[in-house]
Amino acid sequence: AQKITQTQPGMFVQEKEAVTLDCTYDTSDPSYGLFWYKQPSSGEMIFLIYQGSYDQQNATEGRYSLNFQKARKSANLVISASQLGDSAMYFCAMRGLSGNTPLVFGKGTRLSVIA
Amino acid sequence: NAGVTQTPKFQVLKTGQSMTLQCAQDMNHEYMSWYRQDPGMGLRLIHYSVGAGITDQGEVPNGYNVSRSTTEDFPLRLLSAAPSQTSVYFCASRTTGGEETQYFGPGTRLLVL
Repeated sequence: AQKITQTQPGMFVQEKEAVTLDCTYDTSDPSYGLFWYKQPSSGEMIFLIYQGSYDQQNATEGRYSLNFQKARKSANLVISASQLGDSAMYFCAMRGLSGNTPLVFGKGTRLSVIA
Repeated sequence: NAGVTQTPKFQVLKTGQSMTLQCAQDMNHEYMSWYRQDPGMGLRLIHYSVGAGITDQGEVPNGYNVSRSTTEDFPLRLLSAAPSQTSVYFCASRTTGGEETQYFGPGTRLLVL
């Protein structure tokens, strides 16, 4: 079974500052993928960034980076230079890469960016 | 490509009524799934399908039925709606295997009175 834990229900960050959203996971799959999604107030799910368990380097996508620490089973999302438009719910998710295992989500973190 | 489409966008039901939430994708994805989102609970998997004719249960399948007769469509049926099924429902699709992310539909907001 797979489990995702996001321990921060809500976070505040000052505009232009960096913020880290925590995510820890548990899985028995030897090969797995970790995903982060953004859900703005409009409700759609927006894919942000992906990290494979076998990737040697941390993933980056523009202002988003994933701080992957395999031994600690953590996959924290780092947003640099926060913008007001970053205010949203953020979900960490994972799935095994062998077979057709479903994508499992954490409960999310609500980020509020303050001007 | 329209991606993943869902209808209706919003629906109000009375307890005991039945309805079908429609989901379609035009990306030829084998894998499709249904999630429900409740406040503080994240997205929880209801049912999923790895291809036409193949479905399986997720974390919260009770009260919901699915079928997959075509690659494109994956409808979710509520046979007898209950207030506990008030939620936002998301359909998603992706290719099987590999690292590709899931593509989500815009969601259906369901209110059961």
